[in-house]
Amino acid sequence: GENVEQHPSTLSVQEGDSAVIKCTYSDSASNYFPWYKQELGKRPQLIIDIRSNVGEKKDQRIAVTLNKTAKHFSLHITETQPEDSAVYFCAPGGNEKLTFGTGTRLTIIP
Amino acid sequence: DAEITQSPRHKITETGRQVTLACHQTWNHNNMFWYRQDLGHGLRLIHYSYGVHDTNKGEVSDGYSVSRSNTEDLPLTLESAASSQTSVYFCASSGTGSGSYEQYFGPGTRLTVT
Repeated sequence: GENVEQHPSTLSVQEGDSAVIKCTYSDSASNYFPWYKQELGKRPQLIIDIRSNVGEKKDQRIAVTLNKTAKHFSLHITETQPEDSAVYFCAPGGNEKLTFGTGTRLTIIP
Repeated sequence: DAEITQSPRHKITETGRQVTLACHQTWNHNNMFWYRQDLGHGLRLIHYSYGVHDTNKGEVSDGYSVSRSNTEDLPLTLESAASSQTSVYFCASSGTGSGSYEQYFGPGTRLTVT
């Protein structure tokens, strides 16, 4: 099965600074690379995803980059804001099944 | 609007009892999933289904079962509840053929086994 590692497990950044979270995976057959955000007491929600034929995707302040050769992809958040405080999960997958990482708790310091 | 719901939202049960958690989606999605969420473990897949009468085991399926008799529902049954099954349970669904495997999650059920 897929082995997923996510780093760091916790991250604190000053408001306005950037945050980067990295996810490594083991299954070379994985072809879909999403990031989910989960606020306290809420359900996980997709914030950005990328397919294996694309190296980078950006949506306003968030971006995902993929290195398929090295089997890792990263979430980049720029100009962080208090509402970015949450737990973020990577979830590489294929055949419509995802394997979730253990999460990164991001805290934005005002 | 299409949605995915779970019931009950909170449940307290005793060790050894059978418990069923309901999941209902109106997205008309073929794929449905059950996860449990525990501190330090992220979301772990229990069972999943790609369509009516199809069910598959995930990485932590022992002690759980599911059945899919229609597109909208995937109930999760704990055959004999154990304290180790105290957790938050999330149901999710996704469509097929859209090019995205985005999963839409329900609000979760917090289960406590005493």
